[in-house]
Amino acid sequence: EDKVVQSPLSLVVHEGDTVTLNCSYEVTNFRSLLWYKQEKKAPTFLFMLTSSGIEKKSGRLSSILDKKELFSILNITATQTGDSAVYLCAVEASGATNKLIFGTGTLLAVQP
Amino acid sequence: GAVVSQHPSRVICKSGTSVKIECRSLDFQATTMFWYRQFPKQSLMLMATSNEGSKATYEQGVEKDKFLINHASLTLSTLTVTSAHPEDSSFYICSARKASGGAMVQETQYFGPGTRLLVL
Repeated sequence: EDKVVQSPLSLVVHEGDTVTLNCSYEVTNFRSLLWYKQEKKAPTFLFMLTSSGIEKKSGRLSSILDKKELFSILNITATQTGDSAVYLCAVEASGATNKLIFGTGTLLAVQP
Repeated sequence: GAVVSQHPSRVICKSGTSVKIECRSLDFQATTMFWYRQFPKQSLMLMATSNEGSKATYEQGVEKDKFLINHASLTLSTLTVTSAHPEDSSFYICSARKASGGAMVQETQYFGPGTRLLVL
């Protein structure tokens, strides 16, 4: 059965800290791995990763994929209170529908 | 950009009634739309995949007669929760994937803002 596991489940840090969120997966016919940020509403897209070892960066956020070890990390440097959210990892599997399989998410709380 | 809208954003209904939720891709054509359900403090669970002009593909455990999906055009999919019960109360989110246009380009899914359903 396909599955995506995220850790930690929740995390509390102070502003300015650096955090690393983990996502491991077991998915047949892997196509891509995506990271989303979810605040009160629907998820907003952060990154799509398809190749191992190539870091994607957007401001203070970065992410990398290891297809051999089947995991990805999302790094956030110099955290701000606005980074508080649930971070979702999803893996897209090739198939008739290319559906996304979501992990349970990591709840990040950044305290002032 | 790629904008997906959902309507309504919030609905409260009585047990036994049916509720229709619309998902629209505003500035692109979507051959495939996905419907998810999210319970409090849980992740998104895919309910069904909706392809324009064909029957939806439902995930295991999702009743197709209860959750009716129609994808009548390349910009609109609807989810109807029939005979809703309190246990159907949840956050329903749709997403849409752009039509590929022939190139081997991997397109991400764009999410709508979600519809919060409360069944009394």
